[in-house]
Amino acid sequence: EVQLAESGGGLVQPGGSLRLSCAASGFTFSDYWLSWVRQAPGKGLEWVANIKQDGSEKYYVDSVKGRFTISRDNAKNSLYLQMNSLRAEDTAVYYCARARYYFASGAWYFDYWGQGTLVTVSS
Amino acid sequence: SYELTQPPSVSVSPGQTASITCSGDKLGDKYACWYQQRPGQSPVLVIYQDTKRPSGIPERFSGSNSGNTATLTISGTQAMDEADYYCQAWDSSVVFGGGTKLTVL
Repeated sequence: EVQLAESGGGLVQPGGSLRLSCAASGFTFSDYWLSWVRQAPGKGLEWVANIKQDGSEKYYVDSVKGRFTISRDNAKNSLYLQMNSLRAEDTAVYYCARARYYFASGAWYFDYWGQGTLVTVSS
Repeated sequence: SYELTQPPSVSVSPGQTASITCSGDKLGDKYACWYQQRPGQSPVLVIYQDTKRPSGIPERFSGSNSGNTATLTISGTQAMDEADYYCQAWDSSVVFGGGTKLTVL
């Protein structure tokens, strides 16, 4: 059974840092693109970042470029999101998601999601 | 940047058919997928690559995509289908629609 479990959320002051983790099990971790997707309270889904199977390609939404860093450790079946210079608008539930990407056809979808971890940026 | 537009809300009576639309420029030339999110829960994939259903998703969920519009159709809607639904496509990056709240009343 595929499982994704996020951790590391909490309350942080503006300008502070936080590192999210996602522990994966039930599939060959190194075979898949992985992503972080967030959802602000009462709002819709927003893609945050993607990372390729071997970590060689990383992509970010413009609003977090230069502040957030996605990484993975295939030996530990773990995905990470280092978040620096946090702002109030970064307050959201952050989901780890397994991606299915078919380059030739341009198909991209998330077939499994974690339960999410809440990040609150407030003084 | 690419945008996907969904109606904020759709209402349907139990047992009837609900249709939720997702509009984007030449969306029919891309693959669309749909997620269901019940209150307090994580999103669940219900349709991918326009028309395919993941294992475990009831047959009453179906999808189509043509022109500028992708549509999620729920036939014989049940109370348990009341949720937020999000469309998503790929256009150089992941793009989500704003979400549609489906009310079954």
